[in-house]
Amino acid sequence: DIVMTQSPSSLAVSAGETVTLNCKSSQNLLYSGNQKNYLAWYQQKPGQSPKLLIYWASTRQSGVPDRFIGSGSGTDFTLTITTVQAEDLAIYYCQQYYDTPFTFGSGTKLEMK
Amino acid sequence: EVKLLESGGGLVQPGGSLRLSCAASGFTFTDFYMSWIRQPPGKAPEWLDVIRNKANGFTTEYNPSVKGRFTISRDNTQNILYLQMNTLRTEDTAIYYCARGLPGYSVSDYWGQGVMVTVSS
Repeated sequence: DIVMTQSPSSLAVSAGETVTLNCKSSQNLLYSGNQKNYLAWYQQKPGQSPKLLIYWASTRQSGVPDRFIGSGSGTDFTLTITTVQAEDLAIYYCQQYYDTPFTFGSGTKLEMK
Repeated sequence: EVKLLESGGGLVQPGGSLRLSCAASGFTFTDFYMSWIRQPPGKAPEWLDVIRNKANGFTTEYNPSVKGRFTISRDNTQNILYLQMNTLRTEDTAIYYCARGLPGYSVSDYWGQGVMVTVSS
């Protein structure tokens, strides 16, 4: 199985800050046939289902604010949230969909300072 | 509006069976991959399985953690996704979500609200 490792496990931020969340995969997620990275980011708020933010490592899902920026390729990926707002407090998960079983990271919990 | 509504959860004894349903609406059901994903309380989600769309022959794939015990299926006339769970174990306790995949892929763009399954004696 492809192992997804996220860091840090938690992060305390103040409103207006820019934060960077990391995700590392144990195998390459870049498919040479289409040059796409099979990596997604989800946001989960307490008591809610996960919500898709980013797919193909950097494509924002419809309706997601442009302060959420996905980047990276191969095995190393980043989710950057610029100008963090109180509503962004949540757990963020990365997931690879390159090969089954599709696997999630353990998450990064974004908390308010 | 895309809607996914799970049902069928509850308390079951170890070794027992349960069937979950997910009623889908707001989209052409047969055009999309559908998956089940579970999340134990306080833990990360775990992908369980996928059933592909009509264009891909409704083929299925499973996580080895549940292969042989769980079966995903779909009723394309009633737009319902199913998960038959047999030989349940205490470690199967989790919230179970059904999710729709982006066209042709297993990235889940819509999730249901989830249903709790508790396996305990």
